Parts: sequence; structure tokens; C-alpha cells
Amino acid sequence: DVKVTQSSRYLVKRTGEKVFLECVQDMDHENMFWYRQDPGLGLRLIYFSYDVKMKEKGDIPEGYSVSREKKERFSLILESASTNQTSMYLCASSRFLAGGPYNEQFFGPGTRLTVL
Amino acid sequence: AQTVTQSQPEMSVQEAETVTLSCTYDTSESDYYLFWYKQPPSRQMILVIRQEAYKQQNATENRFSVNFQKAAKSFSLKISDSQLGDAAMYFCAYRTALNTNAGKSTFGDGTTLTVKP
Repeated sequence: DVKVTQSSRYLVKRTGEKVFLECVQDMDHENMFWYRQDPGLGLRLIYFSYDVKMKEKGDIPEGYSVSREKKERFSLILESASTNQTSMYLCASSRFLAGGPYNEQFFGPGTRLTVL
Repeated sequence: AQTVTQSQPEMSVQEAETVTLSCTYDTSESDYYLFWYKQPPSRQMILVIRQEAYKQQNATENRFSVNFQKAAKSFSLKISDSQLGDAAMYFCAYRTALNTNAGKSTFGDGTTLTVKP
């Protein structure tokens, strides 16, 4: 079974803190993604990566950065957390190849971040 | 850019009945993949069913089936014999068949399905 794990299920931080969210996948997937999920807004892509050290901005990258030093690990960084970053954060991974089976995204359990 | 629209923010169904969730999308591509994902309350999002655009036959997975209308750009999910465990948020998603963009998918806003006992 593909497993995507996230370092925390729940996290409470203070405004201005630097926050690290970690994601690890064990299927040797090339692609990894970070989303935030808010009620009524669906999934919004923050950043994605298609290879080690490669990253691209998604739809809402402001206030976030990412790091991918190893293929299996993709970190989301909030340099200075703000209350409007309180949200559910989902990590996902997928194969590079678009065709064939298992071309879907595999998701982690999510991290519910509260910024006070 | 592709867009995916789920016009039903909430749906409800009686246990054992059938429900259909709607999804429309917009694309200029001819080859692509469509997915339905399920996110149960406080649980991990998982794939329910996928459809290859080049296949005319509608995909089925046990009680889940799709109605794929390529010309109309419509991709609805039918859940037969609904069970309490089907209660979840359902997301429709689009992925290009090209090996580009790191396999980004475009997601709809989701439909919350309630199953009444």
C-alpha cells in the first residue's frame, strides 16, 4: 500500500512562529504536492515538486515556501505564521507518468494547523 | 487552463438508495484522466474511481459508477445501494494525459454527501 504520512495531525502555533510541516511518501513517487483545504474553497494548491530540489508555485504560494532535499520528503514552511494560515494542510504524491494505473494522487491524513 | 465544477455543495441520500453527484469540466485537451476522490470525516482522501478519456466505456467499481459524457464534458458519479460509510466529501478531479506539470490535478470544490439511516 502506498503510504503518505504527515508529521502531525494537529498543530497549534503562535503568530510569527516559523512552522514546518513534513510529508513523507514510500512509493518512490516523483511528484509531491501541498494543498490547503478550507470550507467552501475546496483544495487549493500551494506548491508542488516533480523532482528533488525542484519546486513550482501553485495557486496560492504567498506566505509559504517548500523544500525537497530527498525524493521521499517534501516540507512546507510557514516563515512567519499568521492567523489567516489556520487551515487543514494536505500533502499528496503521484507517479510522474500520467498514463497507466496508479496515476492518481495519494494523500496524507492532513495536518490541522491553528495559528493563534 | 482546465476548470472543474461541482455544482452541488451538499447532497443527501437515504440508506440503500441511489445518488448521483455532478461534475463538469472545461478543457481543450482530447486526452486526459478524470477521478472521483472520497474524503470521509477526519480520514484520509482516497480514490474512488478513475476514467480514461479515450475510453468510451464508463468505469465501474462495485457500487460506484460514472456517467462520462466527453462531448458534454460531464463526469457524474453514481453511488448505488448507499451505505452509511459512503458519507464523505467527494471531489472530482482532472489530470492531463501529458507527462507535464508534475502531474498536477485540478479539483472541484467538493460535494458533501450525507447518508440518512
